[in-house]
Amino acid sequence: KQEVTQIPAALSVPEGENLVLNCSFTDSAIYNLQWFRQDPGKGLTSLLLIQSSQREQTSGRLNASLDKSSGRSTLYIAASQPGDSATYLCAVRVSGANNLFFGTGTRLTVIP
Amino acid sequence: GAGVSQSPRYKVAKRGQDVALRCDPISGHVSLFWYQQALGQGPEFLTYFQNEAQLDKSGLPSDRFFAERPEGSVSTLKIQRTQQEDSAVYLCASSLVGREKSGNTIYFGEGSWLTVV
Repeated sequence: KQEVTQIPAALSVPEGENLVLNCSFTDSAIYNLQWFRQDPGKGLTSLLLIQSSQREQTSGRLNASLDKSSGRSTLYIAASQPGDSATYLCAVRVSGANNLFFGTGTRLTVIP
Repeated sequence: GAGVSQSPRYKVAKRGQDVALRCDPISGHVSLFWYQQALGQGPEFLTYFQNEAQLDKSGLPSDRFFAERPEGSVSTLKIQRTQQEDSAVYLCASSLVGREKSGNTIYFGEGSWLTVV
């Protein structure tokens, strides 16, 4: 079974700082990897999706990388803002499977 | 509405009571998923529909859990004889195309928060 791990579990940074969130997965036979954001009491919002053949994706201040062979992905957030405070979840879709396997998330707090 | 809609948003059930959770996916979306998210954990897969067909129910934790999507749009997740360990947020998600297509965006609802007392 695919296991997804996210480190750190929680992170607190001052506004303006650049930061990196880490995700690792045990089975490299993935279809794609997604990063989601979850605000308290809310559902999940897809931030970036990386196909298995891609190395990275960028959207605004967010950049996600994928190293499939080593089973790792990082989410880089530039110039963090208080509005970035949320839980960030990494999820992988395994080849041939319908569903996503999620990590337990990193709870980010950006201090004004 | 434009997004995935779930109801009720909050449900308190007495242990042993049956509950039904509803999901209205985005109109025209073929794929529909149910996930269970315990407090402080990531979502865990329960079941998957492609149109009205339930193609994967491998994540349902017991035979007390049942899901249906009879007309290929609205879906209901039913939990019979609820137990305290069923307390969680139940998330519904939909996407436009079927599983064969990679890269299609998945949209999540805000979830139904179930507390069993």
